[in-house]
Amino acid sequence: GAGVSQSPSNKVTEKGKDVELRCDPISGHTALYWYRQSLGQGLEFLIYFQGNSAPDKSGLPSDRFSAERTGGSVSTLTIQRTQQEDSAVYLCASSFQRTISYNEQFFGPGTRLTVL
Amino acid sequence: GIQVEQSPPDLILQEGANSTLRCNFSDSVNNLQWFHQNPWGQLINLFYIPSGTKQNGRLSATTVATERYSLLYISSSQTTDSGVYFCAVTALGNNDYKLSFGAGTTVTVRA
Repeated sequence: GAGVSQSPSNKVTEKGKDVELRCDPISGHTALYWYRQSLGQGLEFLIYFQGNSAPDKSGLPSDRFSAERTGGSVSTLTIQRTQQEDSAVYLCASSFQRTISYNEQFFGPGTRLTVL
Repeated sequence: GIQVEQSPPDLILQEGANSTLRCNFSDSVNNLQWFHQNPWGQLINLFYIPSGTKQNGRLSATTVATERYSLLYISSSQTTDSGVYFCAVTALGNNDYKLSFGAGTTVTVRA
């Protein structure tokens, strides 16, 4: 079956512009995650959605970052007024219904964001 | 939060050699995954292994949860094994879904 897909694969923007990154999880996966990979910080958690529960936004680095998940499927990560330090690869992951005993996460190919 | 340390940071191998990558973590975990990041940046799932031993072809992994470490074995390495290998864990507790990643081991296999 299809894996996690993300779009665009690359995004170059000017400082101060807003960007939207999209993630389509694996069909049937109820949990969706966003992570960020940057040179200085490695791979870090941003946000988590599970079903209809309130998302865990504790990893978002500033209030310029927001994310939503519509219909329990597709998710959009929005960065407002982009800064150069936002340049990174943004990775989306999904997993089957989360249980304590099993929660393997599968990652998409990422969106490489460059802020000039 | 939980700390994840991987060693060695870099590994250079001759094709055909065997190697062991190590992942130490600072607290009890309920999820441990090994990934291979290919040259295009895609994270490929290798193992989901919070405890025990698994094998998949030339790769195998062992996690000793009570001693808080995991090992990834690569046997008869090939040039296609090159890339960065990440260990990632989720800690037992309320936030047992956030993966915390190690810094990775960069493997270079030379022909």
